[in-house]
Amino acid sequence: GAGVSQSPSNKVTEKGKDVELRCDPISGHTALYWYRQSLGQGLEFLIYFQGNSAPDKSGLPSDRFSAERTGGSVSTLTIQRTQQEDSAVYLCASSSQGSNQPQHFGDGTRLSIL
Amino acid sequence: EDKVVQSPLSLVVHEGDTVTLNCSYEVTNFRSLLWYKQEKKAPTFLFMLTSSGIEKKSGRLSSILDKKELFSILNITATQTGDSAIYLCALHEGSSNTGKLIFGQGTTLQVKP
Repeated sequence: GAGVSQSPSNKVTEKGKDVELRCDPISGHTALYWYRQSLGQGLEFLIYFQGNSAPDKSGLPSDRFSAERTGGSVSTLTIQRTQQEDSAVYLCASSSQGSNQPQHFGDGTRLSIL
Repeated sequence: EDKVVQSPLSLVVHEGDTVTLNCSYEVTNFRSLLWYKQEKKAPTFLFMLTSSGIEKKSGRLSSILDKKELFSILNITATQTGDSAIYLCALHEGSSNTGKLIFGQGTTLQVKP
């Protein structure tokens, strides 16, 4: 497909369970980002991958959050021992290489913790 | 601390009206400012601004940046109901290699028929 693809589109789980969210970036894009959008709030940066460089994890809110990017393409965001405050839309974006390229977003995964 | 403030937070207009959305920012090391439109799901890219005073235009939408006064505006002329959305302003800060964007709270625009 032409755009950033995320799955699942919706996820409902019980507090305490682990969840895994997937992002498939635009083909050829070397940079990949995860953001979180909580109700009534702006997008909050979580983590950034660029090529083979060490990721920028400065936005991860706690050590329950982790992310991987395998083979420079698909990324997974994992949240362990989910809490109700983790409920949000998790958005993934990608951009092509270059210091000033716009980020293009996927439709997000709406995560609801019961 | 770098930050982005958008105003107004919400706006209701009628079709045909012209609207101006505002974005002010504070940043240590400016790289670019971006505007996105978010309807139901994915924010879609509108404009990227890097230089002061140069208007970017796409159809009925236009945007300009003032790096001296630290703000940007997004104009929409002859609004249509399809313009109803959340408009997001984001700052790309450049002092490190991170590509992260700092977003404002967004302006929710409703265009009534």
